[in-house]
Amino acid sequence: IAGITQAPTSQILAAGRRMTLRCTQDMRHNAMYWYRQDLGLGLRLIHYSNTAGTTGKGEVPDGYSVSRANTDDFPLTLASAVPSQTSVYFCASSDGDGQPQHFGDGTRLSIL
Amino acid sequence: GQNIDQPTEMTATEGAIVQINCTYQTSGFNGLFWYQQHAGEAPTFLSYNVLDGLEEKGRFSSFLSRSKGYSYLLLKELQMKDSASYLCAAEDSNYQLIWGAGTKLIIKP
Repeated sequence: IAGITQAPTSQILAAGRRMTLRCTQDMRHNAMYWYRQDLGLGLRLIHYSNTAGTTGKGEVPDGYSVSRANTDDFPLTLASAVPSQTSVYFCASSDGDGQPQHFGDGTRLSIL
Repeated sequence: GQNIDQPTEMTATEGAIVQINCTYQTSGFNGLFWYQQHAGEAPTFLSYNVLDGLEEKGRFSSFLSRSKGYSYLLLKELQMKDSASYLCAAEDSNYQLIWGAGTKLIIKP
């Protein structure tokens, strides 16, 4: 079934550790996004990529980095995790401007 | 600044009709999305409005007024499975989505 796959599903991580959240899509969408979702807040954009080889910063990029080596993969890295990065992380993709975003099932990340 | 407002929580009765409102202020505006998100799951796309007016899609309809910065999602013949959060998202001039915090809809029998 076509869609977006995120891994891991959940993770408990010690503060200061490095962590990469994986995201793969098989819909050949050009645009991909990383969001975090916290209770009482809307989805907040961390980083995005409009096409392979390009990335951009969203609303809350500090402490996170991304890469887009090819169309399908868009990993998110926390270089040195802090407790405030405890959240649910969603990866999404879309076929371009004005097109709906399709979401992965999310990664529930707890930083202790 | 950019801002999306929608009620935090609403309660409705099975079989009834409910309207979830959303007001937005963005740097430019291209369109308005509605998504449904069940607890513990990913958001799923419901509707996208670009032009003023009402768009109907089965039991769900979405309305947009660009001049008023206002949209609503109308759910008819409510079913228990409609219990979820409904997210409003405005697309700004850069085609980035600005998300509301979501409206948690509770359906009672």
